[in-house]
This record gives sequence, C-alpha cells and structure tokens, in this order.
Amino acid sequence: KAGVTQTPRYLIKTRGQQVTLSCSPISGHRSVSWYQQTPGQGLQFLFEYFSETQRNKGNFPGRFSGRQFSNSRSEMNVSTLELGDSALYLCASSFDMNTEAFFGQGTRLTVV
Amino acid sequence: AQSVAQPEDQVNVAEGNPLTVKCTYSVSGNPYLFWYVQYPNRGLQFLLKYITGDNLVKGSYGFEAEFNKSQTSFHLKKPSALVSDSALYFCAVRVIPGGSYIPTFGRGTSLIVHP
Repeated sequence: KAGVTQTPRYLIKTRGQQVTLSCSPISGHRSVSWYQQTPGQGLQFLFEYFSETQRNKGNFPGRFSGRQFSNSRSEMNVSTLELGDSALYLCASSFDMNTEAFFGQGTRLTVV
Repeated sequence: AQSVAQPEDQVNVAEGNPLTVKCTYSVSGNPYLFWYVQYPNRGLQFLLKYITGDNLVKGSYGFEAEFNKSQTSFHLKKPSALVSDSALYFCAVRVIPGGSYIPTFGRGTSLIVHP
C-alpha cells in the first residue's frame, strides 16, 4: 500500500512569489491535514479537509490556503511568500478525522 | 484551548536501559492521544494511540504509553532502549467527537540512546 506522497520534495522560491504544494493521500483515506514544521515553532496545524470540505483551520494568515479534490488529493497554496514561510510542510492523511494520521516525507520550502 | 506539553527537550538514555518520554495535556472533554516519531529528514510515523479502554496502550517497535486521567499525562515508555530509537518524538491530542478541535502537537522531545 503506497504511503502519503508529497511533491515536490524541495522548493526554492523568492519573496513575493506564490507556491503550490501537492499531497496524495493513502488510498481510501478521506481526511487530509497540513502542518508547518520549523525549529522555532515546532509542528503547527494549518488546515484539515474531509470530503472536499475544510473542517478545521489553524492560526495562519489568509495567504495560506488549501483545497481537496474529489479523489482526496489535496493542494496547499501560499501566496506572497515571506522569508518566515521557509519550513518543512507536512501533509498527513487518515481514514477519517478520528483516526491516526499517516504523514508524507514533506516538502522543504526555502524562501530567499 | 487545548494544549500539549513535553517538558523535556532532550532525553538521554543508555542502550538497554528503560526510557520514558513525558507528555501532559490540557483539554476540555475526552482526549484522543497519540505518539509519533520522526527520523531525520522524514515525516512523522504513528507509534500508538489512546482512544478509550485500557489505560496501558501498546504500539509499534516495543513502545507503550500509559494514560493517566487524574494527572492528565500520557508518557511514552520502552523497557529496553535501542540506539535505533534515537529520534524526535511528538505527543498529540485531539478532542473527539465533533471534529471541532484542531489536532495539537507538543514541541517534541529528542531521544538520544547512547551505545
């Protein structure tokens, strides 16, 4: 059974640009959540989708957005990138919102 | 608001000795508790969870955790540590049902097992 796949693995972007990250969940999983991981702030919850609907949202500015498609695949978008957005972005999928999450390897975003 | 505390940034233990990684939580309602492990340059891997029932939960790689409601703790334990257990460990909590509470993770504890 394939795990959670995140693409791309690494990204370098310039301040002010926007970026889209992709996540393919484990087959059969309907819930996808996104996290930002930095050395200073730890693991911060961004948002959670279930059946194409955003169910929960963390405390991030509106520059951070996401969506989930009918096949459960998800994308997150960050507009007007700032240096502070440099982080490891992790996607996790679960069968539903009550069960354990399975994480992808992450996308390492560097903003210069 | 719910919160998770992992009071130790780092835990050092000798190989073969028992290990404990501490976690305390604060929630309104009944918690779902999880432990995850992260190896360098990897995503998190699920170790174990407490939903309901027996307070002692057994998980992957010989790890176990004990749910203590009165102390609001969910400490991770292993009877005999291996060098390969060296990694970053995260405790997480979520309040269910309702799905209206976001998953909250602790800041992580770096476990170092010395040969």
